[in-house]
Amino acid sequence: DIQMTQTPSSMPASLGERVTISCRASQGISNYLNWYQQKPDGTIKPLIYYTSNLQSGVPSRFSGSGSGTDYSLTISSLEPEDFAMYYCQQYDSSPNTFGAGTKLELK
Amino acid sequence: QVQLKESGPGLVQPSETLSLTCTVSGFSLTSYGVNWVRQPPGKGLEWMGTIWNDGSTDYNSALKSRLSISRDTSKSQVFLKMNSLQTEDTAIYLCARGAYVMDAWGQGASVTVSS
Repeated sequence: DIQMTQTPSSMPASLGERVTISCRASQGISNYLNWYQQKPDGTIKPLIYYTSNLQSGVPSRFSGSGSGTDYSLTISSLEPEDFAMYYCQQYDSSPNTFGAGTKLELK
Repeated sequence: QVQLKESGPGLVQPSETLSLTCTVSGFSLTSYGVNWVRQPPGKGLEWMGTIWNDGSTDYNSALKSRLSISRDTSKSQVFLKMNSLQTEDTAIYLCARGAYVMDAWGQGASVTVSS
């Protein structure tokens, strides 16, 4: 199985700050990488698909990039509703696997 | 409006079988695949399996021997059955629409495995 290593596991940040979350795959995944947000109430929302494509309705402050084994999610200017858990997911090979998550916390 | 809603027993005895239902609306199961994903308390997400729009299935090899996913397209329902449950199967079980991108999720069903 492809292992997804997500860093950091938690990140204190301030409103308006630019933050980047990283995800490293144990082997190349050919950009087959999605990002999801999970709110404290458990609601899960897709953010980015195929490395850099913004899901419909997602604000443009979210962006994704990467290639090969290394990928990242950037939020350009944090809003109050962005403090949540974030997960990457690879779907290059079965089983598709998720990173362990990054908790974005208010500093 | 796309919606998915999980339902099932909140408590299952060890060694017994878990049965969950995902009832969907706003889309057809013959057009979209549906995934089951679980999240143990305080932990991350684990993909369990997918039933594709053509009715074929794909399972996580770690669970394959215990897991079955099926559907009733006339009722817009997807079913999960997993046998030989152990305490480590305690989790929130979620269904999500999509083939490779899970673009809509249910709220999840909490399942506790305990005697």
